[in-house]
Amino acid sequence: DGGITQSPKYLFRKEGQNVTLSCEQNLNHDAMYWYRQDPGQGLRLIYYSQIVNDFQKGDIAEGYSVSREKKESFPLTVTSAQKNPTAFYLCASSNSGLTKNIQYFGAGTRLSVL
Amino acid sequence: AQKITQTQPGMFVQEKEAVTLDCTYDTSDPSYGLFWYKQPSSGEMIFLIYQGSYDQQNATEGRYSLNFQKARKSANLVISASQLGDSAMYFCAMREVFSGGGADGLTFGKGTHLIIQP
Repeated sequence: DGGITQSPKYLFRKEGQNVTLSCEQNLNHDAMYWYRQDPGQGLRLIYYSQIVNDFQKGDIAEGYSVSREKKESFPLTVTSAQKNPTAFYLCASSNSGLTKNIQYFGAGTRLSVL
Repeated sequence: AQKITQTQPGMFVQEKEAVTLDCTYDTSDPSYGLFWYKQPSSGEMIFLIYQGSYDQQNATEGRYSLNFQKARKSANLVISASQLGDSAMYFCAMREVFSGGGADGLTFGKGTHLIIQP
């Protein structure tokens, strides 16, 4: 089945630790995105990538890093510089370039700080 | 100023009734797209319906329709004949083609928690 796979479903981070969230898609989409969702809030854009080996900062990129070495994969690293990392993280993908740019989402990763 | 405003934090509706979820948006971009997503308690975001700023007709997808009033900058979601499985968070989102600075990302509202009662 085509779709977006995020792993792990739950993740715990210790103080000072970097953690990496995985996102893989087999929809052959060019663009991929990472969003953060806090309780009772909408999603906010962290990073996005429209093509392999290129990515751009979103609205809340500080304390996060990404890479896009393969079309199918867009991992997100939450660094120790992110002081409030507890949130629900959602990855999405789409065929970019048009106004009707429907983004399809994975099931998310819940990150908590120990 | 918020770009997407959803004024109903929560709604209770009887099963089989129609539901209207409100969404107003703010943009000066002439080209934009409006999206509605459903988020069940499991967490994943499910795409429901899309409306483009230049579309002449209101979008429809099965039981979902979008009441697009461009002059009022309003894009309300209408769910006909609600079902128990419709209980979820609903988010309105927008993509601005030019004002977004080239970003493909969506701007989301804070959502409406819809509960369908039997």
